[in-house]
Amino acid sequence: DAEITQSPRHKITETGRQVTLACHQTWNHNNMFWYRQDLGHGLRLIHYSYGVQDTNKGEVSDGYSVSRSNTEDLPLTLESAASSQTSVYFCASSDTLTGETQYFGPGTRLLVL
Amino acid sequence: KNQVEQSPQSLIILEGKNCTLQCNYTVSPFSNLRWYKQDTGRGPVSLTIMTFSENTKSNGRYTATLDADTKQSSLHITASQLSDSASYICVVTLKAAGNKLTFGGGTRVLVKP
Repeated sequence: DAEITQSPRHKITETGRQVTLACHQTWNHNNMFWYRQDLGHGLRLIHYSYGVQDTNKGEVSDGYSVSRSNTEDLPLTLESAASSQTSVYFCASSDTLTGETQYFGPGTRLLVL
Repeated sequence: KNQVEQSPQSLIILEGKNCTLQCNYTVSPFSNLRWYKQDTGRGPVSLTIMTFSENTKSNGRYTATLDADTKQSSLHITASQLSDSASYICVVTLKAAGNKLTFGGGTRVLVKP
């Protein structure tokens, strides 16, 4: 069955370190998204991509970057982790042809000390 | 500013009872509205989707309504089960380039036996 996976599921890192969170989908969806979820806030969009070599900034993109070298993967990199980036990160994908419902991964819980 | 507000923030109900969750939005122009269910420790899963012209949509014991004039939606859970314990998130799509999603903060439902 097609799915969307994230790794690692839990990560502890130190302030200033570079961290990369992986997202892999086998839906063959063109669209992929990264969100963060914090208490008191709805899901907030970090970056998104509508296809290979396409990347766009979301509403909370500062301190994050993404790259899309193939259809299946959209890794999220924290260039220099900060305590404010402690959060739960969700990756999602969608296909315009199926009504653009986004399918979410299981999430990565990141703690920056 | 495009916003999605949900109420209540949380509620506790007894197994077998019904409940209704509310969603008010100011997103304009509006494309569609979705309700997602998010179990603890998991990513959100789509329950229903409604376009501007639809005013009700059901998915098993879940029934969503939409009043596009007043910009309100509700999610009704009938004969609640313990497995309904989750957060329910209202998501509105902006009808514009990129079809951006705006997420509500969610309502946390706890069903007690």
